[in-house]
Amino acid sequence: AQSVTQPDIHITVSEGASLELRCNYSYGATPYLFWYVQSPGQGLQLLLKYFSGDTLVQGIKGFEAEFKRSQSSFNLRKPSVHWSDAAEYFCAVGGSQGAQKLVFGQGTRLTINP
Amino acid sequence: GAVVSQHPSRVICKSGTSVKIECRSLDFQATTMFWYRQFPKKSLMLMATSNEGSKATYEQGVEKDKFLINHASLTLSTLTVTSAHPEDSSFYICSARRWARVRGTEAFFGQGTRLTVV
Repeated sequence: AQSVTQPDIHITVSEGASLELRCNYSYGATPYLFWYVQSPGQGLQLLLKYFSGDTLVQGIKGFEAEFKRSQSSFNLRKPSVHWSDAAEYFCAVGGSQGAQKLVFGQGTRLTINP
Repeated sequence: GAVVSQHPSRVICKSGTSVKIECRSLDFQATTMFWYRQFPKKSLMLMATSNEGSKATYEQGVEKDKFLINHASLTLSTLTVTSAHPEDSSFYICSARRWARVRGTEAFFGQGTRLTVV
């Protein structure tokens, strides 16, 4: 069965510092991987996705993620965080480019220190 | 990007009453929509897959009679929580699937509905 693990429940970084959020997945076929961001009381916004090709994926708001098949990982990174990046981040895996149901990780809450 | 709208964004209802949540794809047709539930400080759990013109497919453990899903048109799916109880209080999020020739198939999420049952 497919699953997603986000090992870090809560991360705090200083504004301007670099960020890496971890995501490990388990999926029997070619995974389609996603990162979403959720602000309090809001829905989900897609940051980036990986379907195939280049394993380093660029997303919105300066985020990027790297797919590493050997490690079953899809970690999210940002070189310099802004206070507005404080939110909940979810990694998800699905089939058929996400057109089928998605399985989400537990989420990582990001706090930014001024 | 495509827009998916959920209504209402917040609702408070009395225990024993029913509540209907709407999910609309505003600028595209969605043959498939998904309904998720999110518990506080928890991840999203898929409840059911809603297919236009046919019955919804429920995930294991989700009560079909409690969470009624109707997908009567290509732009609207509704989730009705029947005889709501406090344990049904949660954040409900829908997503709609869209196919585009260049970008392939993608899922877009609504802004969610906060249901509180008192």
